[in-house]
Amino acid sequence: RKEVEQDPGPFNVPEGATVAFNCTYSNSASQSFFWYRQDCRKEPKLLMSVYSSGNEDGRFTAQLNRASQYISLLIRDSKLSDSATYLCVVNQGGGFKTIFGAGTRLFVKA
Amino acid sequence: DGGITQSPKYLFRKEGQNVTLSCEQNLNHDAMYWYRQDPGQGLRLIYYSQIVNDFQKGDIAEGYSVSREKKESFPLTVTSAQKNPTAFYLCASTLVYSGANVLTFGAGSRLTVL
Repeated sequence: RKEVEQDPGPFNVPEGATVAFNCTYSNSASQSFFWYRQDCRKEPKLLMSVYSSGNEDGRFTAQLNRASQYISLLIRDSKLSDSATYLCVVNQGGGFKTIFGAGTRLFVKA
Repeated sequence: DGGITQSPKYLFRKEGQNVTLSCEQNLNHDAMYWYRQDPGQGLRLIYYSQIVNDFQKGDIAEGYSVSREKKESFPLTVTSAQKNPTAFYLCASTLVYSGANVLTFGAGSRLTVL
């Protein structure tokens, strides 16, 4: 079993749609959680950190369920510019213990 | 603007050749990392360094070497011992050696072995 698992997609949605990505992690001692965005052939960039209480940044909402070892990202009112790969990232303590999921690809079409 | 500069952006290598990828940061970050990304896979850690003159192997260090002689610089050498070196290489840094800190990435170097 992979340490961080994501549905690879691709998710194909129309503009304005709401789309949700899920991620599960295997190590219950994991401490920090993030969503990164990666555009084609570019470097990953932080989208948002994920907190136990859940957090929202504009059209993006992230949730963490420690009991189920599950992280989610919800994108509302999708824009063409949201097309990218979304990486679920889990840190188990210490900079070198950062585990990346393989990513979920999103295509938003007009 | 502060950031991480990787060079070259694209590199072609013949089998049996060593190549060195440059990574320079002006963020005054303590820790630096090298990752490899292959299609359909998550980033995998090659080497990391918490402080100058110190570095540790990551999950896939075989066939790679690094140095950390300056805080700003963390070059990666891909040696001929690396069996499948064609990949996208990403250098990253964090302010302190901590999982709570966000990784800042360079733009990457794409290596192709001919």
